[in-house]
Amino acid sequence: LAKTTQPISMDSYEGQEVNITCSHNNIATNDYITWYQQFPSQGPRFIIQGYKTKVTNEVASLFIPADRKSSTLSLPRVSLSDTAVYYCLVSSTGTASKLTFGTGTRLQVTL
Amino acid sequence: DAGVIQSPRHEVTEMGQEVTLRCKPISGHNSLFWYRQTMMRGLELLIYFNNNVPIDDSGMPEDRFSAKMPNASFSTLKIQPSEPRDSAVYFCASSSRIQETQYFGPGTRLLVL
Repeated sequence: LAKTTQPISMDSYEGQEVNITCSHNNIATNDYITWYQQFPSQGPRFIIQGYKTKVTNEVASLFIPADRKSSTLSLPRVSLSDTAVYYCLVSSTGTASKLTFGTGTRLQVTL
Repeated sequence: DAGVIQSPRHEVTEMGQEVTLRCKPISGHNSLFWYRQTMMRGLELLIYFNNNVPIDDSGMPEDRFSAKMPNASFSTLKIQPSEPRDSAVYFCASSSRIQETQYFGPGTRLLVL
């Protein structure tokens, strides 16, 4: 069971790069790492997913070291609208899998 | 596609009453998930289905909770009898496969008085 650990909260100023790290020491070979964003009164929304090395899309980058025991979500030049809770999810393949959401990191962006 | 549809959006009921939450997943998705979110416990996975079959219900709090997926386009989460501590936001999500991106519905905000 790949339990995840994230910082409870982070603060940033608008325009800065924000890096949120998630620890998943017991990640299994078939596990993917996915990050979600959640605004108040809304359901979580997919940001990015990866298996190893680096993944980049129009919103964020995901860095995964070779041992895959952690991952870092990088948000370039955050704005006030990036204030949200960010969840790290480790998901396995197969019917015997167990899905685990992290505790979530509350990111507060200010001017 | 309309996305994941949940109903009702808000539900207020009295302790002891039966509550039924409904979810319509995205067409073509094979996996469906029910979550509960509270301030104290965060986002918890209650149960998930793959191809309409319950795969893991270890997150279901107790026997008062039950979930069904009679077909690929509909699922229910039932609480009977409801208790004040069941007050939370209940989310339904679906994905094409278990490890693929989950798309969440808007949630049902449940208040049990």
